[in-house]
Amino acid sequence: EAGVTQFPSHSVIEKGQTVTLRCDPISGHDNLYWYRRVMGKEIKFLLHFVKESKQDESGMPNNRFLAERTGGTYSTLKVQPAELEDSGVYFCASSERTPPLDTQYFGPGTRLTVL
Amino acid sequence: GQNIDQPTEMTATEGAIVQINCTYQTSGFNGLFWYQQHAGEAPTFLSYNVLDGLEEKGRFSSFLSRSKGYSYLLLKELQMKDSASYLCAAFHNAGNMLTFGGGTRLMVKP
Repeated sequence: EAGVTQFPSHSVIEKGQTVTLRCDPISGHDNLYWYRRVMGKEIKFLLHFVKESKQDESGMPNNRFLAERTGGTYSTLKVQPAELEDSGVYFCASSERTPPLDTQYFGPGTRLTVL
Repeated sequence: GQNIDQPTEMTATEGAIVQINCTYQTSGFNGLFWYQQHAGEAPTFLSYNVLDGLEEKGRFSSFLSRSKGYSYLLLKELQMKDSASYLCAAFHNAGNMLTFGGGTRLMVKP
């Protein structure tokens, strides 16, 4: 069974540009989560989808971040315009059912560098 | 608020046993997860505890005390490949999210 995949693995952009990150969850997983880890900090929750619906987006830092999950399969996270403080590693995770009855499985992350 | 504390770094010897502690203060706590993360890779699920007590999975065991807000991960018969970061994360039903500690970087030496 394929795991959670993320694309790209690395992205280097300049301040003010736009970047779109993609996450493909494990097939059949209705729950999809975005997290990020900025330099020297812990991994922090951004938002949670159940199928195509946003269940919880309380962790989104501001309106420069837009997440979508059209069709309830893969998800994208767009940052527009990117700022220096957006640099970090963006992780995606998926689960079949709501934890703790099930487990969140993480992708390898996208390392975003904003110059 | 949510607060998860774990040591930043630990060093242990191959073949030995190491215990990584984690304390938490979270509202609506509903479970404690442990993940292993090698540099540049995905966090990999190790174990979780919902009820008090010990969960054993081969060389890895995890313990939870809800009344004390305390958990630990026990690694036995350490191998060089166990050198990694170990992430403690609390799940709380206030939102379907994990709140992570900063991670403990474990270095296993020969």
